[in-house]
Amino acid sequence: GAVVSQHPSWVICKSGTSVKIECRSLDFQATTMFWYRQFPKQSLMLMATSNEGSKATYEQGVEKDKFLINHASLTLSTLTVTSAHPEDSSFYICSARPDRNSLQPQHFGDGTRLSIL
Amino acid sequence: DQQVKQNSPSLSVQEGRISILNCDYTNSMFDYFLWYKKYPAEGPTFLISISSIKDKNEDGRFTVFLNKSAKHLSLHIVPSQPGDSAVYFCAASEIIQGAQKLVFGQGTRLTINP
Repeated sequence: GAVVSQHPSWVICKSGTSVKIECRSLDFQATTMFWYRQFPKQSLMLMATSNEGSKATYEQGVEKDKFLINHASLTLSTLTVTSAHPEDSSFYICSARPDRNSLQPQHFGDGTRLSIL
Repeated sequence: DQQVKQNSPSLSVQEGRISILNCDYTNSMFDYFLWYKKYPAEGPTFLISISSIKDKNEDGRFTVFLNKSAKHLSLHIVPSQPGDSAVYFCAASEIIQGAQKLVFGQGTRLTINP
């Protein structure tokens, strides 16, 4: 149980393109989902906390107009990288924690590798 | 400022021996600690966790030890197996404005040699 699916797994696109990444909790409901970013050989850095039915909470230094988050249902959150540029190239990972048990750890998707040319 | 640190970027261990991965933290408000395992091109997989009110938690071959006074935790894997080769991330949890937030270390790449 507690499976998180992330799609797509790999994106290559031209500079200026907007890219949408989906994060789904397949067998549980998640009011809260999280979006992380990982640069090569570095740690996972929390970008934002996605809350179903309300605005996302962004970490310091993360541009909310650049990284649009929508959490329209209890099983789906999306991250849109708007007008992506080469410096946005990174590994983006989402996670979710089951609502039914607040003591459960966060479960992660397999990540999306974004490459902007 | 790195609140969670894994000072060893890599570790190599013989199959069958014990693997010990270390993690230090600076924020005394962290109340829950987790270890995740990550293979290339995949998301982290939860391994084991420990609450700040405990000093040890064991699950099969995996044991996590917490030393609050030293702000240090470690993951012991025994016996180590080739399938344990992966990057291991230590994470610490804090409740901020009602939301749980995880802070990750940089990771340690564990290689188990046959």
